[in-house]
Amino acid sequence: QVQLVESGGGVGQPGRSLRLSCAASGFTFSRYAIHWVRQAPGKGLEWVAVISYDGENTYYADSVKGRFTISRDNSKNTLYLQMNSLRPEDTALYYCAKDSRPGTMVGIFDYWGQGTLVTVSS
Amino acid sequence: DIQMTQSPSSLSASVGDRVTITCRASQDISNYLAWFQQKPGKAPKSLIYAASSLQSEVPSRFSGSGSGTDFSLTISSLQPEDFATYYCQQYNDYPLTFGGGTKVEI
Repeated sequence: QVQLVESGGGVGQPGRSLRLSCAASGFTFSRYAIHWVRQAPGKGLEWVAVISYDGENTYYADSVKGRFTISRDNSKNTLYLQMNSLRPEDTALYYCAKDSRPGTMVGIFDYWGQGTLVTVSS
Repeated sequence: DIQMTQSPSSLSASVGDRVTITCRASQDISNYLAWFQQKPGKAPKSLIYAASSLQSEVPSRFSGSGSGTDFSLTISSLQPEDFATYYCQQYNDYPLTFGGGTKVEI
């Protein structure tokens, strides 16, 4: 069955960096775009970034553009989110989510991980 | 960016009730709309895509409708496991955007 397992969350100081990972299994990882979506405590969902199946194309939310970098290693079935210049407003539960259509970035999520919590605080 | 507005933000209902949640887009998104269910402490679960197509293994009491700017999610007969927060999401264009959520309470 499809599994997405996030890791790497924790407490980061403002201005510092964290790197999140999302380990995938149960499907052909290299065929699907993968997204990061976050949820601040007690708040709604916010899309963060997407990377194409081959890593060639990426899109970002304006709130993280220039600070966060999404990448993937298809040989390891793993997605990453490098988070630099952290801000308190980046505090959230970060989910990775699989796009449903192979070879596209259509933006339809069919499977989600359980999330990893990032807290930005001094 | 496309703004998604859900209403109501919360509602109270009883088991067996018919419940409808609405979602409005700030511009025409055709049928590029999805719905999600989220229970406390859990990841979102995908329910519907293309405005009205059910994801696999989603009960048939859930249905979606609409196109253009106005959409709705209907639960025909509310079950105890349906008490949750529901979100709409447009995928007509990047950045992808979500509605603010509707909490369905007992």
